[in-house]
Amino acid sequence: DAGITQSPRYKITETGRQVTLMCHQTWSHSYMFWYRQDLGHGLRLIYYSAAADITDKGEVPDGYVVSRSKTENFPLTLESATRSQTSVYFCASRAGWGPDQPQHFGDGTRLSIL
Amino acid sequence: AQSVTQPDIHITVSEGASLELRCNYSYGATPYLFWYVQSPGQGLQLLLKYFSGDTLVQGIKGFEAEFKRSQSSFNLRKPSVHWSDAAEYFCAVGSSGSARQLTFGSGTQLTVLP
Repeated sequence: DAGITQSPRYKITETGRQVTLMCHQTWSHSYMFWYRQDLGHGLRLIYYSAAADITDKGEVPDGYVVSRSKTENFPLTLESATRSQTSVYFCASRAGWGPDQPQHFGDGTRLSIL
Repeated sequence: AQSVTQPDIHITVSEGASLELRCNYSYGATPYLFWYVQSPGQGLQLLLKYFSGDTLVQGIKGFEAEFKRSQSSFNLRKPSVHWSDAAEYFCAVGSSGSARQLTFGSGTQLTVLP
């Protein structure tokens, strides 16, 4: 089915470990986004990408790395996980630049760091 | 920088009652406004959007929202709530930046009583 998929859905890891969250979309949307969702904060933007090989920081980028070698994939890596990065992570995509274009969200990855 | 405030963290209504969820934004120009709904364990689904034209916008699932520039508000309404509407609701404003990032409010959790 077409859409945006995130994997894994759930992940438990330990502090100091590297972990990569995957995001794949089948629409060939230009824009992709990573958010984290924490109680009381809504969703906060971590990184975004306007096209393959073009990425930029959002509101809370520290401790995260992204890449986008292909239009359809936008992995998010925590290079050395910390407990403060325990959160629910959402990937989103958008077709173009126009203001009427909504973002489409994946179902999220619940990440726990012990 | 833009910001969004959802003053109500949690709202409880009875099934069949009317609903209004409040959203106030801060933005220097004409805002691009969105309402999303998140069911438990799911990603965010777009309910409706506003970027110009008629200030009363209709969305999916019987929801509507009214843009009031003088009050910097974009409140979500539904005349008769169904039990399936129980979810978390997020208001968001889109930026005018290159990626038109979304800034989200902290969300309103809706409980529906039978």
